[in-house]
Amino acid sequence: NAGVTQTPKFRVLKTGQSMTLLCAQDMNHEYMYWYRQDPGMGLRLIHYSVGEGTTAKGEVPDGYNVSRLKKQNFLLGLESAAPSQTSVYFCASAGGGGNIQYFGAGTRLSVL
Amino acid sequence: EDKVVQSPLSLVVHEGDTVTLNCSYEVTNFRSLLWYKQEKKAPTFLFMLTSSGIEKKSGRLSSILDKKELSSILNITATQTGDSAIYLCAVGGGGADGLTFGKGTHLIIQP
Repeated sequence: NAGVTQTPKFRVLKTGQSMTLLCAQDMNHEYMYWYRQDPGMGLRLIHYSVGEGTTAKGEVPDGYNVSRLKKQNFLLGLESAAPSQTSVYFCASAGGGGNIQYFGAGTRLSVL
Repeated sequence: EDKVVQSPLSLVVHEGDTVTLNCSYEVTNFRSLLWYKQEKKAPTFLFMLTSSGIEKKSGRLSSILDKKELSSILNITATQTGDSAIYLCAVGGGGADGLTFGKGTHLIIQP
């Protein structure tokens, strides 16, 4: 069972470059989420989606955009990367009842 | 602003000891409290506690929710080196709401 798969696992960017992180889930979950995890800060919600074609802002959305064109995929984009976006990014999904979220293995992003 | 506070932030014990991890919360809308274990990669789900299920147990791990005190504890008995991890507490408001996480407790079990 693949569960939640994130690609890539690691990436190094230069300031101002753009990139897209991909999250794919095979559990037919309605809800999907993007979090970032920084030392001493815990996990913070960036954006989330309650279904195909919908997105909403979380706690720390600035500098990021998302899209959910297919139910199983949730993309996180950085249009112009900044050093403050150096972090570990986690994707999660949850079924219709919500709350129990299942996480991917994370993407470690460094912006130089 | 919703807040989840975990204590201690780090803990070092010897194999075989019993540990208690704490989590307190102040949130606008409470539906459930979740515990996750994070080793090197993805947080993995341990327990979910709600108003209708305030105690959970699985093997050496157990957890209790105190809705009056707005807190929860996670107990691990007879600890093993494989229990070394960051333990995350999170609170959910229900439905599609994202979770509000605490900073985690970094638990180290020494042989």
